[in-house]
Amino acid sequence: KAGVTQTPRYLIKTRGQQVTLSCSPISGHRSVSWYQQTPGQGLQFLFEYFSETQRNKGNFPGRFSGRQFSNSRSEMNVSTLELGDSALYLCASSRTSAQETQYFGPGTRLLVL
Amino acid sequence: SQKIEQNSEALNIQEGKTATLTCNYTNYSPAYLQWYRQDPGRGPVFLLLIRENEKEKRKERLKVTFDTTLKQSLFHITASQPADSATYLCALSTSGGSYIPTFGRGTSLIVHP
Repeated sequence: KAGVTQTPRYLIKTRGQQVTLSCSPISGHRSVSWYQQTPGQGLQFLFEYFSETQRNKGNFPGRFSGRQFSNSRSEMNVSTLELGDSALYLCASSRTSAQETQYFGPGTRLLVL
Repeated sequence: SQKIEQNSEALNIQEGKTATLTCNYTNYSPAYLQWYRQDPGRGPVFLLLIRENEKEKRKERLKVTFDTTLKQSLFHITASQPADSATYLCALSTSGGSYIPTFGRGTSLIVHP
């Protein structure tokens, strides 16, 4: 079974721009969660999607948004990028819920200049 | 406030020895606790899950203990190998909420040949 895939793997943007990251979950997994990982804050939960609906949301500003498609693929968008948004963005999938064991993708490394 | 603490200093051990990593928490009522392994530039990989009513869980060379009185989990790797070198993250899911796991910042393990 193919694992979780994320594109792109690396991205460089400048302040004020917006960015869209993509995640394809493991086949059959319907829950997709997004995390931000930085050296200072560690791994922080952004949001979880299930059946095209946001089910849970972490403590991030509204500039961070996401969506899920009918095939369970998910995208997250960050608008008006700030320097502090530089991080590794990880997507994780699970069968039905982020409560279960999650399978992480390799992440997208975003650098904001 | 809720806190999950893992030793920020790297743990250096010799090959063949047992590595013991610690995860302490405060102000949580955990339903279960998970341990993940993360290699540089990659997403975390699930290793073990232990529930609040379990004292110990084993999987091959790995052992996890969970003491809800001490508010602590210990993660052991016996007969450690250089290939075990990685960062190990603990993640807590609490009862009465969304069960979305909260991750510690991880401890780096370096196994010397």
